[in-house]
Formats: sequence, C-alpha cells, structure tokens
Amino acid sequence: ETGVTQTPRHLVMGMTNKKSLKCEQHLGHNAMYWYKQSAKKPLELMFVYNFKEQTENNSVPSRFSPECPNSSHLFLHLHTLQPEDSALYLCASSQDGRPEQYFGPGTRLTVT
Amino acid sequence: AQSVAQPEDQVNVAEGNPLTVKCTYSVSGNPYLFWYVQYPNRGLQFLLKYITGDNLVKGSYGFEAEFNKSQTSFHLKKPSALVSDSALYFCAVRHSGYSSASKIIFGSGTRLSIRP
Repeated sequence: ETGVTQTPRHLVMGMTNKKSLKCEQHLGHNAMYWYKQSAKKPLELMFVYNFKEQTENNSVPSRFSPECPNSSHLFLHLHTLQPEDSALYLCASSQDGRPEQYFGPGTRLTVT
Repeated sequence: AQSVAQPEDQVNVAEGNPLTVKCTYSVSGNPYLFWYVQYPNRGLQFLLKYITGDNLVKGSYGFEAEFNKSQTSFHLKKPSALVSDSALYFCAVRHSGYSSASKIIFGSGTRLSIRP
C-alpha cells in the first residue's frame, strides 16, 4: 500500500467547510482515479485522469472538484458537502498497458 | 454494458478447508477480470487478474481463480483457508478493448469469514 498514499486518513467536516483530500502515487503510473465506497453499496468510480487530463466524470456533483497537477498527484476538493457524502474515498493508479489498478488506504470522511 | 455479480454476501469456511468465492460477469467482447481484497480500514489490494491464456490464474497469498468463458464466471479459490484470509473480496471486470485508463466495474463484495 505504500505505493499509493492518501492524506488525511480521517476527516470530519461540517457542511459549510472546505477541505481537500490528497493522493500521491510513487509507482510511476500515468492514470489516477477517485472512488467512493459507501456501506453496502458497490464501489463508485468518480473521476479518471490519464496523463493529467480528466477522461471521465461519472456524474459527480459539483461540490466535489478534482485536480491533477501532474501524473503523481491527485486532489479532491470538497465544499458544502452533505451528510450522505460520508464515505471512504479511495484513490487508485494504473500504468499504461497494464489494466490493474493499485489503491491507496483511503480517507474516511464524515460530514456532520 | 459491463456488470459483475457476486451472489454471496458472506462465505463462511473452517480453517484448513478449501474456499470458493463466486463471481459472474457480463461484458461485450473479451473481458479483463480481477480479484481484489480489502482488509478493515484499508484500501483494495490487487490479488490477481485474467487477461488471456491459461484459464487458471494464480495470485498472491495462495489464491487462484478460474476463468470459464461458457459460464461467464471467474471464481476465486484457495485449497486451504487461513484465518488471516478473512476480509472483503471484490471481483471486477473491464472490457479488453479500452485504454488502460478505462474504468473497472466492481462487484458488491463478498465477506469471507474463516473460523479457527
């Protein structure tokens, strides 16, 4: 898991707060992903970046705003979230030519 | 459309016994298939994948999976279960024709519980 790191590991925020999640991959991969994992629901893909370009936005509300400054770093900026946004947010990366993705440990987000 | 089904929410096995976690998939064309494991408070960890070739693929921690094209299945197996194998297991599928940054569709997960 040290190949993909995520900070913070836990975050509690109010609905009016603004916060950011950070993901960094040390694997030399070119694609990065944000997923949302909620209890008793399948893993939901949120965003895909390939070579810093966003290639997929899976109908995610605008209160989630991704940023990918380079192939190693991915951010998820959060503002005016709702309690139903509480979940585990997972970052993943993959290498061109190899289909498997490697995941970070996740950020456990609680919106109060 | 791609989809993955894991018909069992939970599988209970005694330590030392063989285990099977079931997965069926639906995808047009040739599939890429994966198994991931998630331990409590951790991210998903890649176990194994099927791309092409031998239908039986071997992965980490003694796990293996068998690709069956006629039954569109990719069941995860291990000959002798360990208590430490207790975790949440996810099957996933992707169309082989997309770019490497294409999305993977995950199943809903199966909780594997190994009793001593």
